[in-house]
Amino acid sequence: NAGVTQTPKFRILKIGQSMTLQCTQDMNHNYMYWYRQDPGMGLKLIYYSVGAGITDKGEVPNGYNVSRSTTEDFPLRLELAAPSQTSVYFCASSYVTSGGVEQFFGPGTRLTVL
Amino acid sequence: GENVEQHPSTLSVQEGDSAVIKCTYSDSASNYFPWYKQELGKRPQLIIDIRSNVGEKKDQRIAVTLNKTAKHFSLHITETQPEDSAVYFCAASNQAGTALIFGKGTTLSVSS
Repeated sequence: NAGVTQTPKFRILKIGQSMTLQCTQDMNHNYMYWYRQDPGMGLKLIYYSVGAGITDKGEVPNGYNVSRSTTEDFPLRLELAAPSQTSVYFCASSYVTSGGVEQFFGPGTRLTVL
Repeated sequence: GENVEQHPSTLSVQEGDSAVIKCTYSDSASNYFPWYKQELGKRPQLIIDIRSNVGEKKDQRIAVTLNKTAKHFSLHITETQPEDSAVYFCAASNQAGTALIFGKGTTLSVSS
């Protein structure tokens, strides 16, 4: 299994441009998440999905959109990129056990907005 | 919503010493507390976790303790090694699996 994969690995955007960060998992996990990690900070939840067709906002959703048309894919869309969106973006997926949630992370996408 | 505080932000120890990282959480409904290790430029990886019905869990040199009454949990690393150097994150979530709320991380440096 490849686990959680993300593309691209790096990207530079100009202010106002748009892009989609791709995330795919092959573990048949129902739950998927998008986090951003700013330098020296923890991970902040942007959006999450508990199954195909279901998405919900996390802590910092403004400026982003998501969709979940299949179990495997959970793309993150940035509209009108701003310098404040410069960050490392991690996608994660999980399976729910009787006692909690164990998440597996992708390798990340480093985004710079200039 | 849930808020997770983590201390210290940086921790330097000598090889062989023990390291302790502490976290507090605010939501009494949280019942799952994982710890992640993140090496420079890499993804976070789960190293140990604890459920709310357990007070302590150990895995070789790593242990986690949970005090539900005080709403805090701690990571203990014994006999530290240079390869333990990384950023460690605590997190909390409820059983619904909505999301993990992370602390800001602790940068652990182990010098030989």
